[in-house]
Amino acid sequence: DQQVKQNSPSLSVQEGRISILNCDYTNSMFDYFLWYKKYPAEGPTFLISISSIKDKNEDGRFTVFLNKSAKHLSLHIVPSQPGDSAVYFCAATKNGGSARQLTFGSGTQLTVLP
Amino acid sequence: GAVVSQHPSRVICKSGTSVKIECRSLDFQATTMFWYRQFPKQSLMLMATSNEGSKATYEQGVEKDKFLINHASLTLSTLTVTSAHPEDSSFYICSARVGPSRNTEAFFGQGTRLTVV
Repeated sequence: DQQVKQNSPSLSVQEGRISILNCDYTNSMFDYFLWYKKYPAEGPTFLISISSIKDKNEDGRFTVFLNKSAKHLSLHIVPSQPGDSAVYFCAATKNGGSARQLTFGSGTQLTVLP
Repeated sequence: GAVVSQHPSRVICKSGTSVKIECRSLDFQATTMFWYRQFPKQSLMLMATSNEGSKATYEQGVEKDKFLINHASLTLSTLTVTSAHPEDSSFYICSARVGPSRNTEAFFGQGTRLTVV
């Protein structure tokens, strides 16, 4: 049972436009959400996160929105740049013990066209 | 950000042999490290949680006798794939969390591409 879902395996956007990547989750115990960016044959790189007590977090060109009632979050990148082309993973975690394991979505391949 | 180094980045081994993958936290102490496996075009699947000085906690369906995890120090965890088979070919990634804070993000190693021939 996939607790974190990214239903769009790929997304293409023109340079300078906004990229919107979506993520849905089913486990209401999740209280912290993260976005990672991954290039081929490399480990994921942390981008931005949001706590469940917030509905928006912004860092430069990246903004994450959280809609708890819909169990939905999205990552907005604006303006999109060709260097943003990568696979983006949504991840979620819940409090409980010290391990803080991450549950990942299946990823969305973003291609920013010049 | 914190640096996690994973070695080797690529390894090809013969079926039936064992392969060891190292994960090091270079500039911080990691009491907990995580090992993931990624199949092509799929998500990162957590295999096990590695705790310094104690036995690893394996996720359901992961064979602990096949994927041996050792976390001997606060900066090093190793994953040994024993008696590797072609179906073990995959991309293995480790991560470590900085500090015990519940909201700190995890930092990932660069991954290891294992090919079993």
